[in-house]
Formats: sequence, C-alpha cells, structure tokens
Amino acid sequence: NAGVTQTPKFQVLKTGQSMTLQCAQDMNHEYMSWYRQDPGMGLRLIHYSVGAGITDQGEVPNGYNVSRSTTEDFPLRLLSAAPSQTSVYFCASSYIGTENEKLFFGSGTQLSVL
Amino acid sequence: GESVGLHLPTLSVQEGDNSIINCAYSNSASDYFIWYKQESGKGPQFIIDIRSNMDKRQGQRVTVLLNKTVKHLSLQIAATQPGDSAVYFCAERLGFQKLVFGTGTRLLVSP
Repeated sequence: NAGVTQTPKFQVLKTGQSMTLQCAQDMNHEYMSWYRQDPGMGLRLIHYSVGAGITDQGEVPNGYNVSRSTTEDFPLRLLSAAPSQTSVYFCASSYIGTENEKLFFGSGTQLSVL
Repeated sequence: GESVGLHLPTLSVQEGDNSIINCAYSNSASDYFIWYKQESGKGPQFIIDIRSNMDKRQGQRVTVLLNKTVKHLSLQIAATQPGDSAVYFCAERLGFQKLVFGTGTRLLVSP
C-alpha cells in the first residue's frame, strides 16, 4: 500500500493563479482532510470529507475549495492564490469510528505564493 | 513543554538517555489524545494514542502519561536514538473527527 500520496511536493505560484493539490489514499478510508502547517502554529484544518460526495469546512476554509467524487481522491483547489496561503499542506485520512481517530498523513506540499 | 502557542521548544538529549516531552491540552472534555512524530520534510507519523479513561499506555520504547487533573500529557521515549530526532506534537480530540494539534517540541539527539 502506498498510503496517502500527495502531489506536487513543491509549488511556486504568483498571486492570483489557481492550482489543485492532489491527494489520494489506497486504504479505503472514509475520512479525508486537508491541513495547513505554518511556523509557530499547529496543524489547522482546512476542509474535510466523511465520504464520497460529502465535504465540510474546517477551521480555515476561506480561499480553498474541495470535492470528493471518489473514496480515494480528495483534491484541494486554490482559486486565486494569495501570499497568505504560503504554507505546507498536508492531506490526511482515517477510518471513521469511535475507536480510531488515527490520521495517516501524506508527505506534504510546500506552496509558495509570490 | 509544548502548548498551543507561538514558540517551538527544543529538548536536547544524549543518545541512550530517556526523553520526556510534555504537552498541555486545552479542553477538559477532550476524550482522546494522540502523539505524532514529524521528521524534517515529511508528514506527521502516528506514535501512540490514549483515551481519557486511561492514565498510561505503553508502546515500543514509548509511554504516554495522561493527567486529567492538570490537563497534561507527556511522551516518554526510552533509550533515545538519533533516529528519534524530530518534532513531536500532541493532538486532542474535541469532537467527531475534530483534532486540535499543538505546535510541537523539537527533540535533538546527540550521538
């Protein structure tokens, strides 16, 4: 199993450009989520999904869109990039159940917006 | 120790020593806690978890202690190795799939 796969690993954008960060998992996890990690701050939840066709906002959703057309994929879209979105982005997935909140993380995408 | 804040504390130890990393959590209603390890350039990796109805849980070379009275969590690493060098952070569950992450503690292990 590959686990959680994120692409690209690095990306540089100009202000106003759009792009999609890809995330795929092969563990048949119902739950998928996107976090951003900034210096001096903990991981902050952007958007999450509890299954195909179902998405919801996290703590910092503004400027980002998501969709979940399949169990495996959960792309994150930046419609008009801003310098404030410079960050490291992590996709994570897990089973849903009261006994298991263990999130499996991808290796991250380092995004710079100039 | 670690808390939800602006700085990243650092713990420096010698190889073979035991390490203790601390975490102050915020919500007395949190019912589940996780420790993650993050190596440079990689995503967080699960280490160990504990439920609020437990005080202690042991894994391989790691032990997590939970003190609900003072809302404190600690991670003990026995016989620390250079490969243990990383940022460690705790997370508390406030509700369904709602994890709140601390900012982390950097562990540096000298040979």
